Amino acid sequence: AQTVTQSQPEMSVQEAETVTLSCTYDTSESDYYLFWYKQPPSRQMILVIRQEAYKQQNATENRFSVNFQKAAKSFSLKISDSQLGDAAMYFCASLTGANSKLTFGKGITLSVRP
Amino acid sequence: NAGVTQTPKFRVLKTGQSMTLLCAQDMNHEYMYWYRQDPGMGLRLIHYSVGEGTTAKGEVPDGYNVSRLKKQNFLLGLESAAPSQTSVYFCASTPLAGGAEQYFGPGTRLTVT
Repeated sequence: AQTVTQSQPEMSVQEAETVTLSCTYDTSESDYYLFWYKQPPSRQMILVIRQEAYKQQNATENRFSVNFQKAAKSFSLKISDSQLGDAAMYFCASLTGANSKLTFGKGITLSVRP
Repeated sequence: NAGVTQTPKFRVLKTGQSMTLLCAQDMNHEYMYWYRQDPGMGLRLIHYSVGEGTTAKGEVPDGYNVSRLKKQNFLLGLESAAPSQTSVYFCASTPLAGGAEQYFGPGTRLTVT
């Protein structure tokens, strides 16, 4: 069974500052993928970033980057130059298996102070 | 290209009533999923389908049934709604296995009184 743990329920960051959201996971699979999804108040689930487990290089998408530590089973999201529009709930998720099933963490609510 | 759509967006049911949630995608995706989101629980997989005519149970399937008679549609049914099924329901689809992104619908907020 896959598990994804997000231990911090809430975080706050000052606008223009950097914040890191933590995530750990557990899987017995050798082939898996990791994701961060953003859910703003509109409720829409938006993909932020994706990481293939077999790639050592950390994924980056503009102001968003990950720190993927495979041995430690850690997958944190760094948001640089935080903007008011980054305020949302963020979910970490792992994907394994031939049926591409996603397992989500409980989410973290990020607030951005102007 | 509408992506993934869900009908209805909101619904209130009384305990014991039945209803069907419709998910439709116009991207010709093979795989479709139903999740429920509860406060403090993240999203949990209810049922999924890997192709037309196939369905399988996810993590929390009890009290729900599904059907995938057409490739573009994935229906989630509640035969006898219970207050514990009050939740936000999301449908998602992906074109294939192997780590491709799942595309989510806008969600349906269901309240069972």
